[in-house]
Amino acid sequence: DGGITQSPKYLFRKEGQNVTLSCEQNLNHDAMYWYRQDPGQGLRLIYYSQIVNDFQKGDIAEGYSVSREKKESFPLTVTSAQKNPTAFYLCASSISRGHEAFFGQGTRLTVV
Amino acid sequence: KNQVEQSPQSLIILEGKNCTLQCNYTVSPFSNLRWYKQDTGRGPVSLTIMTFSENTKSNGRYTATLDADTKQSSLHITASQLSDSASYICVVSADKLIFGTGTRLQVFP
Repeated sequence: DGGITQSPKYLFRKEGQNVTLSCEQNLNHDAMYWYRQDPGQGLRLIYYSQIVNDFQKGDIAEGYSVSREKKESFPLTVTSAQKNPTAFYLCASSISRGHEAFFGQGTRLTVV
Repeated sequence: KNQVEQSPQSLIILEGKNCTLQCNYTVSPFSNLRWYKQDTGRGPVSLTIMTFSENTKSNGRYTATLDADTKQSSLHITASQLSDSASYICVVSADKLIFGTGTRLQVFP
């Protein structure tokens, strides 16, 4: 099946720990994105990548890091510097930036 | 400032009834507008996409309208079903995607 896969679906982290969220797509899309969704707010862009080995900060990049070593993979690391990491994280991809985005099923991260 | 505002924030209707969701935007330059459906705990799924020149587009029981002059869009759901219960997100594309906060729709039997 073609699509975008996020794992895990649920993730629990202790304060002070880094954690990495996985995102893989087999749609041959150049652009990939990470969004954060909080209750009552629209999706906010964390990082995006338009091509392999290149990525740019979004609106709320502080406390997060990414890599884009392969076209199909765009992992997101939530570091201990992120003060309020509990949220629903969505990964998306598109042919190029501004085109229709296809979303994964999301990862719900909870800090305990 | 690029913004997308949706109303109402939440809506409750009975199964079989129609409803209309609103989206107002102040985004420039405008490329296209999309409506997404997001089930609880899942990723958004695209319903419709409309460019500047399109006024109406349908996808089954979903009909989206766009007035580029007033910068307004609506999503009309006909003969609602329980499975329509979800959040509906309006997304406007400029040089990047601008997301609305969504309308939470609940359909009761």
